[in-house]
Amino acid sequence: TQLLEQSPQFLSIQEGENLTVYCNSSSVFSSLQWYRQEPGEGPVLLVTVVTGGEVKKLKRLTFQFGDARKDSSLHITAAQPGDTGLYLCAGDGSGTYKYIFGTGTRLKVLA
Amino acid sequence: DSGVTQTPKHLITATGQRVTLRCSPRSGDLSVYWYQQSLDQGLQFLIQYYNGEERAKGNILERFSAQQFPDLHSELNLSSLELGDSALYFCASSVPRREQFFGPGTRLTVL
Repeated sequence: TQLLEQSPQFLSIQEGENLTVYCNSSSVFSSLQWYRQEPGEGPVLLVTVVTGGEVKKLKRLTFQFGDARKDSSLHITAAQPGDTGLYLCAGDGSGTYKYIFGTGTRLKVLA
Repeated sequence: DSGVTQTPKHLITATGQRVTLRCSPRSGDLSVYWYQQSLDQGLQFLIQYYNGEERAKGNILERFSAQQFPDLHSELNLSSLELGDSALYFCASSVPRREQFFGPGTRLTVL
């Protein structure tokens, strides 16, 4: 069974701090996506990473795909209260039709 | 706006009742996914359809069923409702095995 484990599960930080969220698996993924979900709303796609070692930047967010395509990280620089939400990594289960979501990281940024 | 629509937005019903949730995918997307999200929990994959055919099943209860129609809209039927079925239900659509685009969700409350 393919799993995507995220860490930490919960994170509460002060505005202006930096943080990194990790998404790990023992399986290879052809691509990974990161989503952010705000309370009561559907997840919104942030980025897709496809190539091993790939780094993508979205303003203060930096996403990296591991060289072996088994893990990914999300780094937020100078976090703001608007970054608060549930962050989910996800990817296609190789050899199956299932699309797998990670366990989630719930981030709270305090003003 | 993701392009995925869901109706109704809110639904309040009693235990033992049956409800139908509706989803219209983004134009051109053949895959539709259903997810359940209980309070402060992650996304639980229920079922996936591709062009009218069931493609993958997750943790979907036997009391729940779904279908995708020729016009690609999908319905999720929940019957013999229990208090524990209260949750947000999300529909997502995609090109197969790629990033998903989520609807705004239906909040189901079972009293």
